[in-house]
Amino acid sequence: EIVLTQSPATLSLSPGETATLSCRASVDFISISWYQQRPGQSPRLLISDTSSRAAGIPVRFSGSASGAEFTLTISGVEPDDFAFYFCQHHQQVCAFGQGTRLEMK
Amino acid sequence: HLQELGPGLVKPAETVSLTCSVSGGSPVDSYSWGWIRQAPGQGLEWLGSVFVSGTPSYSPSFRGRITISTDTSKNQFSLTLRSVSAADTAVYYCARNLHWNYPLDAFDIWGPGLTVTVSS
Repeated sequence: EIVLTQSPATLSLSPGETATLSCRASVDFISISWYQQRPGQSPRLLISDTSSRAAGIPVRFSGSASGAEFTLTISGVEPDDFAFYFCQHHQQVCAFGQGTRLEMK
Repeated sequence: HLQELGPGLVKPAETVSLTCSVSGGSPVDSYSWGWIRQAPGQGLEWLGSVFVSGTPSYSPSFRGRITISTDTSKNQFSLTLRSVSAADTAVYYCARNLHWNYPLDAFDIWGPGLTVTVSS
């Protein structure tokens, strides 16, 4: 079973700052996706296949990886970006990380 | 567009059946689809998917009490969860795979979600 561990649990930033969210997988050689979820809304796909932005996603959102460590970077956080973020893998089964809350400082 | 349909309240030990109605040009037999749920204040949990071939794949956590299938005549797919308990109280989402030919994938289109409460 592949486990995804997200950190930090909560990230407090001011608008304009850069957010760095981490998702560590328990195995190497997989790809992951990232989702944003605002309160009361369905998740929205941001990044697939580790680094491919989904249709309509602003360029300030980017994904990268180093081994089993995956990173979602938001360059210049905007007010609408304060939300929850989840990573997901789809290797044999699908599973999500426990999420990171991005809150306004 | 996806829309979850089903009861909002179910009694413990009963069976809940949810349907995802697919509209807007995505024939249900041309993509793979998934069910994901979110308990109050919790993260996302994948229950299972049905592939473009009609073959289902289930999370080990639910295998044995879950069935997912498609109905091409109604352009919808469904989730049946048996022997429910309070732990199954959650918002249930249906979603579409990003790539039509990937059995398991990221989900690019989501329904608005349906709140299901298990209580007597």
